[in-house]
Amino acid sequence: KAGVTQTPRYLIKTRGQQVTLSCSPISGHRSVSWYQQTPGQGLQFLFEYFSETQRNKGNFPGRFSGRQFSNSRSEMNVSTLELGDSALYLCASSLGLSYYEQYFGPGTRLTVT
Amino acid sequence: KNEVEQSPQNLTAQEGEFITINCSYSVGISALHWLQQHPGGGIVSLFMLSSGKKKHGRLIATINIQEKHSSLHITASHPRDSAVYICAVLSYNTDKLIFGTGTRLQVFP
Repeated sequence: KAGVTQTPRYLIKTRGQQVTLSCSPISGHRSVSWYQQTPGQGLQFLFEYFSETQRNKGNFPGRFSGRQFSNSRSEMNVSTLELGDSALYLCASSLGLSYYEQYFGPGTRLTVT
Repeated sequence: KNEVEQSPQNLTAQEGEFITINCSYSVGISALHWLQQHPGGGIVSLFMLSSGKKKHGRLIATINIQEKHSSLHITASHPRDSAVYICAVLSYNTDKLIFGTGTRLQVFP
């Protein structure tokens, strides 16, 4: 089975722009979670989607949003980018919600200048 | 105080040594994950456990729910074990994963 894929792998954006990141889960996995990793804050939970519905959300401003499609692929969007949004964004897929083992993608490294 | 604390933050070992990484947490949990992150960012799930002990090859993970503590042991360490090891707990109340800050392990030949 192919693993979790994320596109793009690297991205450079300017403050004020918006960005969309994509995540394709392992075939058969219905849950996709998104995480932000920064040197200062470490790994933080962004949101979790299951069957096209957002099931859980972390403590991030409304500029961070996401969605999941009927084929379980997920996108996350960050609007009005700030310098502090520079981070590694990871997605993980699992068979079900929360309690199931998570399989991580390679991440998208976003740099905001 | 962080809800998930790991120790040590950094660890250096000689090849072949027995290694222990500790994780303490202050919230009620449904499960605890041990993750491995290599340079470049990729994260691999090593264990998910809610009680007792699990073993996979040279890696052993234990959890004591009453003491809110988990340990990850690596037997006969090898340079390829060099990575950041991250403990994450699934909060019982919020169903969100809360991560520790990680332990950076370097194993020298």
